[in-house]
Amino acid sequence: SQQGEEDPQALSIQEGENATMNCSYKTSINNLQWYRQNSGRGLVHLILIRSNEREKHSGRLRVTLDTSKKSSSLLITASRAADTASYFCVMNSGGSNYKLTFGKGTLLTVNP
Amino acid sequence: DTEVTQTPKHLVMGMTNKKSLKCEQHMGHRAMYWYKQKAKKPPELMFVYSYEKLSINESVPSRFSPECPNSSLLNLHLHALQPEDSALYLCASSLLALSTDTQYFGPGTRLTVL
Repeated sequence: SQQGEEDPQALSIQEGENATMNCSYKTSINNLQWYRQNSGRGLVHLILIRSNEREKHSGRLRVTLDTSKKSSSLLITASRAADTASYFCVMNSGGSNYKLTFGKGTLLTVNP
Repeated sequence: DTEVTQTPKHLVMGMTNKKSLKCEQHMGHRAMYWYKQKAKKPPELMFVYSYEKLSINESVPSRFSPECPNSSLLNLHLHALQPEDSALYLCASSLLALSTDTQYFGPGTRLTVL
């Protein structure tokens, strides 16, 4: 299956530090997205990177994509306590344009 | 307005009850989705509506019955649920049912089946 694997499963850092989360997937993708979920509530879209892009920035977020290694990373710089959440990488599942396939997620805790 | 709303926020029901979850968006999106999320797990797709027509049913049991009365509204009718159906139910919408379209999620309904 296409389900992604995030690494690490859980990450605890101090405010101001950078947080890096990695995602690996199995089959070719059209694009990869990162979403954030606070305390088991709704998901918020963070960033989308297309298969022909290698890096993308949005504010304190930096996403990279290596299609040869089938992996992506999300870097959050200068973390804040409000960044505490679960982060999911989400792949466009092969064969169906609509379908989002979620990774298992990384739980990030930013300590004040 | 980039908001998807869901009601109720919490729902407790017995196995013989009939209840409905409601989802609404006013972004002009023509694709709407239902997801189920168990604790500490990623969301799992249940249904996809495109232009008010059911386009995908991910082999969901018939005790879950979706309905899309118009382009802004999506319902999920629940009947004879089991305790293992307790979960967070998320609604999402996107401009079209395309991989390049961002899906906007509602806050979810936390369902407990007794």
